[in-house]
Amino acid sequence: DTGVSQDPRHKITKRGQNVTFRCDPISEHNRLYWYRQTLGQGPEFLTYFQNEAQLEKSRLLSDRFSAERPKGSFSTLEIQRTEQGDSAMYLCASSRGGASGSTDTQYFGPGTRLTVL
Amino acid sequence: SQKIEQNSEALNIQEGKTATLTCNYTNYSPAYLQWYRQDPGRGPVFLLLIRENEKEKRKERLKVTFDTTLKQSLFHITASQPADSATYLCALVGGTGGFKTIFGAGTRLFVKA
Repeated sequence: DTGVSQDPRHKITKRGQNVTFRCDPISEHNRLYWYRQTLGQGPEFLTYFQNEAQLEKSRLLSDRFSAERPKGSFSTLEIQRTEQGDSAMYLCASSRGGASGSTDTQYFGPGTRLTVL
Repeated sequence: SQKIEQNSEALNIQEGKTATLTCNYTNYSPAYLQWYRQDPGRGPVFLLLIRENEKEKRKERLKVTFDTTLKQSLFHITASQPADSATYLCALVGGTGGFKTIFGAGTRLFVKA
């Protein structure tokens, strides 16, 4: 168990550029979450996957954001035409998953810090 | 809209005392509630989970209570230590069968030696 890993750890980009982040969950975990966190705030839910299926997506997520988990293992989060307001820490978490009504403990990665100039 | 409120002010306590953090929520009926610890520049770390039908949970020096009538959870750290200094996040999960998680803004705790 190597934990959740994220790449890159830091990304600086210019406004208008596209960026892509990668998350590798804990190997036996079938659920994967993406969050965004700004200074002084808690993580803000963006989306989550059960295996390769994207089950829920925040209404806050504009059409510039897209996430994929093509083989039910690693996931990517892409932001197109970045804006300065996209500057934040992007966190990924994974969990074992379970049936509806069960509990689900999430294990977080170290995050990718995005700065849009 | 769904809202979670945690102590907005930082909490400063003396080593050895009990720290009590509050989490209040509105317009939500979660299936369960979790508390996480977050250190600067790092991802949150899970501490405790309590279900809607449970009143209290304990783990070592940690205790969580959950009152679904008041829509409130209290998180206690007894015999606090400087190493307990961190931000503590309250998170609500589910309620509709899904696993969307909503976090509060967190409370910063400082334990002075």
